[in-house]
Amino acid sequence: KAGVTQTPRYLIKTRGQQVTLSCSPISGHRSVSWYQQTPGQGLQFLFEYFSETQRNKGNFPGRFSGRQFSNSRSEMNVSTLELGDSALYLCASSFGGGAPSGNEQFFGPGTRLTVL
Amino acid sequence: AQTVTQSQPEMSVQEAETVTLSCTYDTSESDYYLFWYKQPPSRQMILVIRQEAYKQQNATENRFSVNFQKAAKSFSLKISDSQLGDAAMYFCAYRSGGANSKLTFGKGITLSVRP
Repeated sequence: KAGVTQTPRYLIKTRGQQVTLSCSPISGHRSVSWYQQTPGQGLQFLFEYFSETQRNKGNFPGRFSGRQFSNSRSEMNVSTLELGDSALYLCASSFGGGAPSGNEQFFGPGTRLTVL
Repeated sequence: AQTVTQSQPEMSVQEAETVTLSCTYDTSESDYYLFWYKQPPSRQMILVIRQEAYKQQNATENRFSVNFQKAAKSFSLKISDSQLGDAAMYFCAYRSGGANSKLTFGKGITLSVRP
């Protein structure tokens, strides 16, 4: 079974631009979560989607948004990029049903975003 | 709000020895899950072990085991017979039992293994 894939793997943008990151979950998984990882703040939860609906959202400004498609693939968008948005963005998929809190999350390799 | 604390930023262990990574958490919930995730230098995070709060028995996965002290809100990871491949960053994580809960991570600990 193929793992979680994220595209692109690396991205360089300038302040003020916007960016879209993509995540393809493991086949059969309906939940996709996004995390931002930085040396200073560690891993911070952005949002979780389940069956095309946002199930939970972290404490990030409205510039960060996401969506999930009917095939469970997910995208996150960051508008008006700031230097502080430079980070590794991780996507994780899980089955999502049953007792979702206990489900193992399978992580992708991440997208390294650099904002200049 | 739930918090997860990993107070040791770095640890080192000799190959074949045992090491324990500490984690404490704060919650008022009674239904929750605890996890240890491993992030090797290649960056792909993988689940090491999971513990359901309602289970008193400590979880074990091969060389990895936890010491879950619910009253003390402590969740440490023991790695036995350490191998070079165990070198990685380890994150302790918490998630409450509700469907709309989120996974909260500690700051992580970098484990190095000396040959």
